[in-house]
Amino acid sequence: NAGVTQTPKFRVLKTGQSMTLLCAQDMNHEYMYWYRQDPGMGLRLIHYSVGEGTTAKGEVPDGYNVSRLKKQNFLLGLESAAPSQTSVYFCASRRTGSSYNEQFFGPGTRLTVL
Amino acid sequence: GDSVTQMEGPVTLSEEAFLTINCTYTATGYPSLFWYVQYPGEGLQLLLKATKADDKGSNKGFEATYRKETTSFHLEKGSVQVSDSAVYFCALSEENYGQNFVFGPGTRLSVLP
Repeated sequence: NAGVTQTPKFRVLKTGQSMTLLCAQDMNHEYMYWYRQDPGMGLRLIHYSVGEGTTAKGEVPDGYNVSRLKKQNFLLGLESAAPSQTSVYFCASRRTGSSYNEQFFGPGTRLTVL
Repeated sequence: GDSVTQMEGPVTLSEEAFLTINCTYTATGYPSLFWYVQYPGEGLQLLLKATKADDKGSNKGFEATYRKETTSFHLEKGSVQVSDSAVYFCALSEENYGQNFVFGPGTRLSVLP
């Protein structure tokens, strides 16, 4: 049981390049989330999904797109990377059903945009 | 909307000192409350949680009590260790908004030997 995994762990992009971050979970969770973490700003929600084939915007969605084609995977795409997207990205998943179900986090992806 | 407020860090303590990290929340209903810990270079992991008023969550010597009357969920530990150095996040989840999880800004704790 690997929990939540993220690939890649590190990536350096040039401004304007595109990339996709992959999140996978093996806990059969319905909800999945993408956050970014910047120094002194805590966690900010980018997008989330409440089930396969559904996505919704979070607090800071601009410049990102997501897809949830399979229940276990949640992809975060950057179409044209900007230096402001330099950050650590965390994926999380959660079982539905009750407010007391906690989120499970992946180890993070450190992205630098030059 | 819902929100979580935590004490400003960083907090620096000597080993074996008593720790308190304050957390207060604003919610429209009856949320569940959580403390997460993030060790350097890692993702967040659940430390403890409480699902209703007066519940006490505990784990690894840490404790927090759900206080509805003061809308608080303060984290405490009687004797901290160097290995407790990390960032601590308070969070809440509301029943009617199951997909929503609201995190506080985090409090960095450094424990010196």
